Amino acid sequence: AQSVTQPDIHITVSEGASLELRCNYSYGATPYLFWYVQSPGQGLQLLLKYFSGDTLVQGIKGFEAEFKRSQSSFNLRKPSVHWSDAAEYFCAVGPKRLAYKYIFGTGTRLKVLA
Amino acid sequence: KAGVTQTPRYLIKTRGQQVTLSCSPISGHRSVSWYQQTPGQGLQFLFEYFSETQRNKGNFPGRFSGRQFSNSRSEMNVSTLELGDSALYLCASSPGTSQGNEQFFGPGTRLTVL
Repeated sequence: AQSVTQPDIHITVSEGASLELRCNYSYGATPYLFWYVQSPGQGLQLLLKYFSGDTLVQGIKGFEAEFKRSQSSFNLRKPSVHWSDAAEYFCAVGPKRLAYKYIFGTGTRLKVLA
Repeated sequence: KAGVTQTPRYLIKTRGQQVTLSCSPISGHRSVSWYQQTPGQGLQFLFEYFSETQRNKGNFPGRFSGRQFSNSRSEMNVSTLELGDSALYLCASSPGTSQGNEQFFGPGTRLTVL
């Protein structure tokens, strides 16, 4: 069955520390991969996406993610977290065809300590 | 360019009632997708409309229905509301014309069923 797993429900880091959010997926073939961020009371904003090519993807707000086919993972990283990064982060997969039946993980809520 | 708008932002209903939610996509976007977001379940795909036709459908009961108008605006209807329908309902718009088009999310409608 197709699924996305974000094993960490909550993560707390200190401002300035590095961050890694984990995402593993189960899919028939390599899908499109996405990371979204949701601030309280807001919709989801796309941070970055992977379609093909270079497995290290750069996104907005200083985030990057690395696709590892052998591990079916697409982990999100940031070298130095800012207090404004506190939010909920969602990993998602989508099929490589004209469809928008995205499968989302259950999210990781990030808390940043000053 | 105006973003995706959803109305109303908050809604309180009682069991057995029905509700209609509205989504106005970004101008020029022809695809509108709907998601249900609940704590612990993450985002669950409801359906996608493209050019007034339902193109993809998730695994929700028939009480959940939708439609899209010629101006791409979309409505979602839930009949015979149940307590478990309490959720944030998110709408996402996209050009919908090629694989991997980015989805832009609205702020959501918070539905509470009493």
